[in-house]
Amino acid sequence: LAKTTQPISMDSYEGQEVNITCSHNNIATNDYITWYQQFPSQGPRFIIQGYKTKVTNEVASLFIPADRKSSTLSLPRVSLSDTAVYYCLVGDRSFQKLVFGTGTRLLVSP
Amino acid sequence: EAQVTQNPRYLITVTGKKLTVTCSQNMNHEYMSWYRQDPGLGLRQIYYSMNVEVTDKGDVPEGYKVSRKEKRNFPLILESPSPNQTSLYFCATAPWDGGNSPLHFGNGTRLTVT
Repeated sequence: LAKTTQPISMDSYEGQEVNITCSHNNIATNDYITWYQQFPSQGPRFIIQGYKTKVTNEVASLFIPADRKSSTLSLPRVSLSDTAVYYCLVGDRSFQKLVFGTGTRLLVSP
Repeated sequence: EAQVTQNPRYLITVTGKKLTVTCSQNMNHEYMSWYRQDPGLGLRQIYYSMNVEVTDKGDVPEGYKVSRKEKRNFPLILESPSPNQTSLYFCATAPWDGGNSPLHFGNGTRLTVT
């Protein structure tokens, strides 16, 4: 099972770009990389998913280098409402055992 | 509205008193799973189910049981709760489409065992 490592916390200011990196050195060939956002007293919510290279949606971008041993979630121009815990999840296509990292607590200040 | 519903949201109980936390989904998802979340440890998978009558252990199954008699329900059973099972529990579901679809989480059940 791919184990993930993320920074415990990060601080930013409104309007800045935030990049959160996740290391997953033993990622398997079939594994996808998925990022979730979690607010207090709520379940995690899907942000973005990718397999390789770059993926972009309306809220974030995900950069995955060729060796796929890490990935970077990029949040453009963060706001106070982006203060949350962000989890990187690496899992295989069969949905069986899924291993979450310990998450990165992002604090956005005015 | 697509939902994953957990009940109860909060539960305080005593050691040894059997309890069940329910999880129900209205999205016809095949995959369902349970996680516990503890400070500093992130989300750890307890059990998962690929479909009706198919369940398997996750990383921390000790002290827990599950059943999947119907597609929409996946209850988590603590036969004899202990204080180390005090935690925040989440149910998550996903459709079976090769394993790429993201998980849909419930809003959690905060359990305290005294």
